[in-house]
Amino acid sequence: AQSVTQLDSQVPVFEEAPVELRCNYSSSVSVYLFWYVQYPNQGLQLLLKYLSGSTLVESINGFEAEFNKSQTSFHLRKPSVHISDTAEYFCAVSEWGNTPLVFGKGTRLSVIA
Amino acid sequence: ETGVTQSPTHLIKTRGQQVTLRCSSQSGHNTVSWYQQALGQGPQFIFQYYREEENGRGNFPPRFSGLQFPNYSSELNVNALELDDSALYLCASSLGGTHSGNTIYFGEGSWLTVV
Repeated sequence: AQSVTQLDSQVPVFEEAPVELRCNYSSSVSVYLFWYVQYPNQGLQLLLKYLSGSTLVESINGFEAEFNKSQTSFHLRKPSVHISDTAEYFCAVSEWGNTPLVFGKGTRLSVIA
Repeated sequence: ETGVTQSPTHLIKTRGQQVTLRCSSQSGHNTVSWYQQALGQGPQFIFQYYREEENGRGNFPPRFSGLQFPNYSSELNVNALELDDSALYLCASSLGGTHSGNTIYFGEGSWLTVV
């Protein structure tokens, strides 16, 4: 069965600094990979996803993530963060073939002014 | 705005009671799944319904049950509530589940506190 490890439970970073949120997964088959964001007292919103093709995927608000099959990783990066990026970020994996999402425990990103 | 709405947003129940949580999916979405998110944890898959039939279940006991209706609404029922059932319950809808990496849209959740 697949699993997801988010290596950092909390990441504080100053505004306009770069950030990387790490995600590693375990699976014996091909997978789809996702990053979701959860703002305080809200549900989950899809940030970006990797299905196939280019290993670098981007979101509309400046985040990007790169699928690395050999390292089984899908790290999320942003070159310059804003206060509004403060939220909980969840990495999730789904094995090909209509399997449910398996989530990591989340990383709380706190952007400091 | 994901188009998925849940009710109630917050509720408090006593141990041993039963609870029903409701969800209205996006129009046209034939798949609904439910997740439990305990405080400080990631969401955990409870079960999934496709065209009103359960077609996948996570590691949850039978006292967790669900229904999906033709009008894109669904329910999560939990019997014999336990203190550990206190969590945020998320409903998610999609067209065809996660097959081919379909995007899953989450509601804002129902906070359940069991005392």
